Amino acid sequence: TQLLEQSPQFLSIQEGENLTVYCNSSSVFSSLQWYRQEPGEGPVLLVTVVTGGEVKKLKRLTFQFGDARKDSSLHITAAQPGDTGLYLCAGREGAQKLVFGQGTRLTINP
Amino acid sequence: GAVVSQHPSRVICKSGTSVKIECRSLDFQATTMFWYRQFPKQSLMLMATSNEGSKATYEQGVEKDKFLINHASLTLSTLTVTSAHPEDSSFYICSAEGQGGYEQYFGPGTRLTVT
Repeated sequence: TQLLEQSPQFLSIQEGENLTVYCNSSSVFSSLQWYRQEPGEGPVLLVTVVTGGEVKKLKRLTFQFGDARKDSSLHITAAQPGDTGLYLCAGREGAQKLVFGQGTRLTINP
Repeated sequence: GAVVSQHPSRVICKSGTSVKIECRSLDFQATTMFWYRQFPKQSLMLMATSNEGSKATYEQGVEKDKFLINHASLTLSTLTVTSAHPEDSSFYICSAEGQGGYEQYFGPGTRLTVT
């Protein structure tokens, strides 16, 4: 089973600061997804990256897939309190299964 | 599009009883659905992969006779927790695979409490 190491696991910063969350593996994934989860709710898909080196932007969020498709990063610019939540990366293993990282619990303080 | 619903959202049951959780893809057909379990402040753990019209594939350590999965149609999968015990209390989340084949769309989850 492929493992995804997500870091940091906890991050608390002030509003307006920038941050980066990392997702690393020793294995290659065919695709990688980033999700955001609020307490008591299911994860919501933010982005899917498929091609090595791919960069996708979603407003203040920038997602990058490593050239070798083993790692990914999520960068948030000018964080806002509404960005608070649990961020999960998930790599697609084989044909179907998603393997999840441990999650990054992000808190943005006003 | 790509909306997945779960019912019930919360359920409390007594130890020894069985509980059924439904997962529906509302606006797309899903040949494959997945069932996850999430403990407080932890990530999602895949329990089983549910394929329409065939038996579910369970992850290692998940008892198939305890967690019964039925995927009778392209829009509905059910998870039945049989003879529930307090340690089965958890947040159960289903997902359905999108037609593009890359993404999984998640339901809102079901909070199960076994007393």
